[in-house]
Amino acid sequence: EDQVTQSPEALRLQEGESSSLNCSYTVSGLRGLFWYRQDPGKGPEFLFTLYSAGEEKEKERLKATLTKKESFLHITAPKPEDSATYLCAVLRIDYKLSFGAGTTVTVRA
Amino acid sequence: DTAVSQTPKYLVTQMGNDKSIKCEQNLGHDTMYWYKQDSKKFLKIMFSYNNKELIINETVPNRFSPKSPDKAHLNLHINSLELGDSAVYFCASSHRDGRYEQYFGPGTRLTVT
Repeated sequence: EDQVTQSPEALRLQEGESSSLNCSYTVSGLRGLFWYRQDPGKGPEFLFTLYSAGEEKEKERLKATLTKKESFLHITAPKPEDSATYLCAVLRIDYKLSFGAGTTVTVRA
Repeated sequence: DTAVSQTPKYLVTQMGNDKSIKCEQNLGHDTMYWYKQDSKKFLKIMFSYNNKELIINETVPNRFSPKSPDKAHLNLHINSLELGDSAVYFCASSHRDGRYEQYFGPGTRLTVT
């Protein structure tokens, strides 16, 4: 059965303190891995798609990387507005998207 | 210029009632989805339609019935609501091939009393 495990569950950072979030996965046939950001009371907002091991994507202070077993979301010099829950999801060959439980990031000024 | 919209945003109803949630997307996508996010914030797929055809149907009580009148709309009808149906329901859409990222609506918070 597919498994998507995110760690840590929660992360408290000081503004400017860089850190990484982990998403480890086991899936039978991977089409792609996605990262989303979810703010309280809102729908998930698409951030990145990664398709193959070694691929990297960047957007502002965020950088996502992918290996054959896990993905990392690096947050460089975070600001309070980066506070959110970050969700990892894997898309199987049959188009089913399975989400991890998320990492809640809080950035203090 | 809303991409994926859902109505209503909040829905409070009593056990045993029947209710519907509507979803519309203006992104030109051919595939739409319904997800349920429970109190632990875990997102789980319920249904998916591609060009009005049901392609994903997870283990969901048959009280839940999706209907897709066209590629841009996917509605969710729930019969005989139960307390355990309380959750936030999200609609999403994507292309089926090429670019797979799914875009989500704002969610409908359903509370069954």
